Formats: sequence, structure tokens, C-alpha cells
Amino acid sequence: AQRVTQPEKLLSVFKGAPVELKCNYSYSGSPELFWYVQYSRQRLQLLLRHISRESIKGFTADLNKGETSFHLKKPFAQEEDSAMYYCALHSSGSARQLTFGSGTQLTVLP
Amino acid sequence: SQTIHQWPATLVQPVGSPLSLECTVEGTSNPNLYWYRQAAGRGLQLLFYSVGIGQISSEVPQNLSASRPQDRQFILSSKKLLLSDSGFYLCAASPGLSSTDTQYFGPGTRLTVL
Repeated sequence: AQRVTQPEKLLSVFKGAPVELKCNYSYSGSPELFWYVQYSRQRLQLLLRHISRESIKGFTADLNKGETSFHLKKPFAQEEDSAMYYCALHSSGSARQLTFGSGTQLTVLP
Repeated sequence: SQTIHQWPATLVQPVGSPLSLECTVEGTSNPNLYWYRQAAGRGLQLLFYSVGIGQISSEVPQNLSASRPQDRQFILSSKKLLLSDSGFYLCAASPGLSSTDTQYFGPGTRLTVL
């Protein structure tokens, strides 16, 4: 069975400091991984996906198959990055279900 | 892009009462539809998904049911609510079977069962 683990429920960093949100997964197939973000009073939305190898709002995430990890990183955190972040794994089934981690609440302090 | 509507935004219901939450989708045809429950400290749990009208799959056994009477309408129901049904319910949609499909989420419904 597939599983996504985000070990940190709460994470606080100071503005300008680097930030890393951890995500580990368990999946027997070839994984498709995503990071979703929910800012205060806004909808849950896609932040980035590993297939695109993109940097969004300064965030990057590299898929490490050896460590089964997909950690989200940003070199210099901003106060507007404060939000709930979810790591998610796409299944290969017909319905394309997402399995979400339990989420990490990031707070960037001034 | 797709727009997901959910209503009501908040709901307070007594134990044992029925429930009906509605989700509608604009901007795409034949989407995959999903109901999630977001519980504090437990993340997002997939409850139901649907790949077409009348096709519902359940991920976890529970007190809730789902229906898809129209292509872009997804309903979450219960005949008798339990206290444990309290939570934040999210509807999501994705356009199809592409490997890069993004799921788009609705604003959610906050359900409190007293």
C-alpha cells in the first residue's frame, strides 16, 4: 500500500532562513509526487510536481528514489510562505487518486 | 481551468440528523471527482472518488455515502450523522487520466456535529 509521511506537524523558521519540509513515501511503482499548499483562508492548491522539475515561489523539491524522499526546500523563507503544506503521491490506478501526507504547518517569523 | 463550488460553507447539525453536501464543477467535462476529509493532525483522507456518472468508489468504510447524479455534480450524504463525522470536507476534481493531472480543490465545508 502507498503511504506518504510528513514527520513534522509544525515548523517555524525566521524570515530569510532556509527551510526544508520533509516528505517520505512508500510506493511499489514509479512515483509521481506533488506538493500542495493551503494559505490561510484560501483553497488547497498545487505548488509543484516532481515531473516538471520546476521552481515555484522559490521552492524546489527533488525526488530521491534511493531515500524515497521528496523534501521541499527554499533557501530564504518569506513571511508569506507561512501555510499548511501537504506532500502527495499519485497512484497509477484508473482514478488517479492522491495519497496525502498529514501536512506540515510552516510559520515564518519576522 | 476548473472551478469547484461547494456548499454550504459551514454546517452545524445534531447527531442522528441527515447530511447532504454538494459539489459542482465548472470548466471541464467528465472530470474525476473526489471527496476528502481534512482532520486536524491527520491530513487529508480520501473518502470517495468517481470516474463517471453513477460510478462511486469508497476508500474507507464509514457512515457516509456519495453519489454522482450528473457529470459535474458530486454529493456527500449521510442518513444519520455521528459525532465523529465532524470535520472539514473538501471536494476536488481532475480533468482526466493524464499522468500530470492536477487536482483542483473547492473551498470546503466545515461540518460540526453536536
